[in-house]
Amino acid sequence: GAVVSQHPSWVICKSGTSVKIECRSLDFQATTMFWYRQFPKQSLMLMATSNEGSKATYEQGVEKDKFLINHASLTLSTLTVTSAHPEDSSFYICSARDHRGETQYFGPGTRLLVL
Amino acid sequence: DAKTTQPPSMDCAEGRAANLPCNHSTISGNEYVYWYRQIHSQGPQYIIHGLKNNETNEMASLIITEDRKSSTLILPHATLRDTAVYYCIVRAPANQAGTALIFGKGTTLSVSS
Repeated sequence: GAVVSQHPSWVICKSGTSVKIECRSLDFQATTMFWYRQFPKQSLMLMATSNEGSKATYEQGVEKDKFLINHASLTLSTLTVTSAHPEDSSFYICSARDHRGETQYFGPGTRLLVL
Repeated sequence: DAKTTQPPSMDCAEGRAANLPCNHSTISGNEYVYWYRQIHSQGPQYIIHGLKNNETNEMASLIITEDRKSSTLILPHATLRDTAVYYCIVRAPANQAGTALIFGKGTTLSVSS
């Protein structure tokens, strides 16, 4: 199956700083990428849908100025958590859809801890 | 997208078949049924998907009822490594808007020796 990578796998930062998470499709081109967030003992929640070369579409309740998404190429999307606070601590997972559009593949996730 | 209903948890003995049910009684004619699983602290892993016909791959089999209102994921010989949360998701074709996978609570499958 297709491979999606994320970097870093975990990050600890101080409150008020910004954190960037990278998501790459390694062996396929992804015109659409998705970002999810998962809190402990909960299911994945869709944050935003990102199309290459255009602005991301955010789900209701997700602040676009806080969670900056850039999908600059067919293999890379980035999520920047700006001015992070402890409540932003979560497991962030990206996903990319293959060219046929049928299947979404997920990255291994990035665990963010804001102190 | 149609909602799905799954039992919150199931147990299975190692080596036996695990049959995970999913109800999607409001599924539309062009919506696919997808199955993913998430092992603790990892990203979801794609298992299988189908539209109308039964499907089989190296991981599992997907049985969709003729009226498409329910389906069953079958892991033929469960191992301890199959312990995970299994998600059944119904999704419209990718060329339609709003086609990100939306996750419910899934079924926690516990495989024991």
